[in-house]
Amino acid sequence: AQSVTQLGSHVSVSEGALVLLRCNYSSSVPPYLFWYVQYPNQGLQLLLKYTTGATLVKGINGFEAEFKKSETSFHLTKPSAHMSDAAEYFCAVSGHGGSQGNLIFGKGTKLSVKP
Amino acid sequence: EAGVAQSPRYKIIEKRQSVAFWCNPISGHATLYWYQQILGQGPKLLIQFQNNGVVDDSQLPKDRFSAERLKGVDSTLKIQPAKLEDSAVYLCASNPTTQGNTIYFGEGSWLTVV
Repeated sequence: AQSVTQLGSHVSVSEGALVLLRCNYSSSVPPYLFWYVQYPNQGLQLLLKYTTGATLVKGINGFEAEFKKSETSFHLTKPSAHMSDAAEYFCAVSGHGGSQGNLIFGKGTKLSVKP
Repeated sequence: EAGVAQSPRYKIIEKRQSVAFWCNPISGHATLYWYQQILGQGPKLLIQFQNNGVVDDSQLPKDRFSAERLKGVDSTLKIQPAKLEDSAVYLCASNPTTQGNTIYFGEGSWLTVV
């Protein structure tokens, strides 16, 4: 079975500091990996995804993530945090069953940005 | 392009009552999903449709939850009777094909069972 572990349910950084949100996955097949962001009272918005090819993936709002197969990791980073980045972030891996569409999510990491 | 539409956005009901949520996916998207997101957790897939057929409903509590997607377009998720532990956000999402990787989510329907 596939699974996702997000290390740290809550991360706090200062504005302008590096953002690092950790995600490790378990998968018996080559994974498709995703990061979603959820602002309060809103649905999920795709930040970036890894399917095949280049392991460093760039997404929206200055975020990027690197797929490291040897470490089974897909950590999310941003060089300089903005106040508007405060939200909850979910890492996800695509599921089995012949469909690569349905997602298995981690429990989420809430990012706080201090002025 | 219009996004995934869901209604109602908020609902409060008493336990043992019933509730229904509606979803209209992005036009032309063949695959539709219902996810349940309990506070403090990541979303969990309840059911996946491909057109009007069910692909995966292994995590749907079938004794109280039901879902349909008539004509392969919009979908309804029903809970009857509701329990306290059903309090959650119900997220609808769609995807152009089963092989497509990008799932587009609606804003969710927030259910509180008291």
